[in-house]
Amino acid sequence: GENVEQHPSTLSVQEGDSAVIKCTYSDSASNYFPWYKQELGKRPQLIIDIRSNVGEKKDQRIAVTLNKTAKHFSLHITETQPEDSAVYFCAASYQKVTFGTGTKLQVIP
Amino acid sequence: NAGVTQTPKFRILKIGQSMTLQCAQDMNHNYMYWYRQDPGMGLKLIYYSVGAGITDKGEVPNGYNVSRSTTEDFPLRLELAAPSQTSVYFCASSLLTSGGIYNEQFFGPGTRLTVL
Repeated sequence: GENVEQHPSTLSVQEGDSAVIKCTYSDSASNYFPWYKQELGKRPQLIIDIRSNVGEKKDQRIAVTLNKTAKHFSLHITETQPEDSAVYFCAASYQKVTFGTGTKLQVIP
Repeated sequence: NAGVTQTPKFRILKIGQSMTLQCAQDMNHNYMYWYRQDPGMGLKLIYYSVGAGITDKGEVPNGYNVSRSTTEDFPLRLELAAPSQTSVYFCASSLLTSGGIYNEQFFGPGTRLTVL
């Protein structure tokens, strides 16, 4: 089955700096790669996603890149703000959705 | 639209008791999922369903059962509750369109379950 690895598990950045979270997947058939943000005590919510026919997607301060050959995808957050502090999960989807183990991002004011 | 709803929000069970966690969605999604999330951990898939009458196991199905008699509802049954089942349970739904095109999962607010 699919295996998704996510790094780092924790990440601290100064407000205004950039944050990068990386994921690798094992099943070359996976074709949909969403990123979810989960604030403390809340449900996960989609922040950005990318499909296998696209290499990069950007939405304001958030971008995702996908390298199908290397089977890895990354989340980039620029100009980080305290409200970006949360746990971020990547996922890879083919017949089932497999989540990464999460990255706890702390943005220090 | 209410999206994905879950009841109850909180529940305390004694060891050996049983209960059903309710989940409903009003978005006409074909796929529905149950996850558990232990404190400080990621999401583990318990069961999922690709449509009414069709369910399949995820990575941690032991101690749970599901049914999907309608598109809208996907209840999760816990039989003989154990302390190891203390967790937050999230239900989610998504739409898989023709050609196998996945779309985002919408999560319910979660049920916080404690087994003592």
